[in-house]
Amino acid sequence: QKEVEQNSGPLSVPEGAIASLNCTYSDRGSQSFFWYRQYSGKSPELIMFIYSNGDKEDGRFTAQLNKASQYVSLLIRDSQPSDSATYLCAVTTSNTGNQFYFGTGTSLTVIP
Amino acid sequence: KAGVTQTPRYLIKTRGQQVTLSCSPISGHRSVSWYQQTPGQGLQFLFEYFSETQRNKGNFPGRFSGRQFSNSRSEMNVSTLELGDSALYLCASRRESEKLFFGSGTQLSVL
Repeated sequence: QKEVEQNSGPLSVPEGAIASLNCTYSDRGSQSFFWYRQYSGKSPELIMFIYSNGDKEDGRFTAQLNKASQYVSLLIRDSQPSDSATYLCAVTTSNTGNQFYFGTGTSLTVIP
Repeated sequence: KAGVTQTPRYLIKTRGQQVTLSCSPISGHRSVSWYQQTPGQGLQFLFEYFSETQRNKGNFPGRFSGRQFSNSRSEMNVSTLELGDSALYLCASRRESEKLFFGSGTQLSVL
């Protein structure tokens, strides 16, 4: 069983719409949750992190965490063509030395 | 503040050869992790070093090895290269148990 699962997509949304990216994890002991953005040919870049249940907003990005249901999501409001990238979800668990576990990523395309 | 630096950026090798990749972490970061990324498999964890000790290890054969020096710089070595080792190798650093920051990666092609 994979520790972190994401829909691979591709997910396509029109410019200006809300893009919703979802991630589920298997280890209930997971403590920290991250979203990375990776443009084609580039390395992953951290865009959001969340530690507590609820929502965390940063500009056009909102991370949502629900530990009871073991999912974390990323909402991108007013999507722009520059948001087109692969989004990687990652979690860490203390019982593995806070090792990062990554999902395989969701490819997002924002259509102008 | 300088980011994570990886060298070289590109490498072309032939089967059976060995290769060494280098990573300099962000100043003050004592943890360095290595990942292999391929289109079909996503990010696969190789190993993590902290204060010169291997802290975690992924499910890769013994041909993949690494080390960390006292200045936190790290090297990864792959011996007896196989075609399937062609991938983007990413290094990432962090403080004790905080956010992970990636370098630009080394694109390895094995012919």
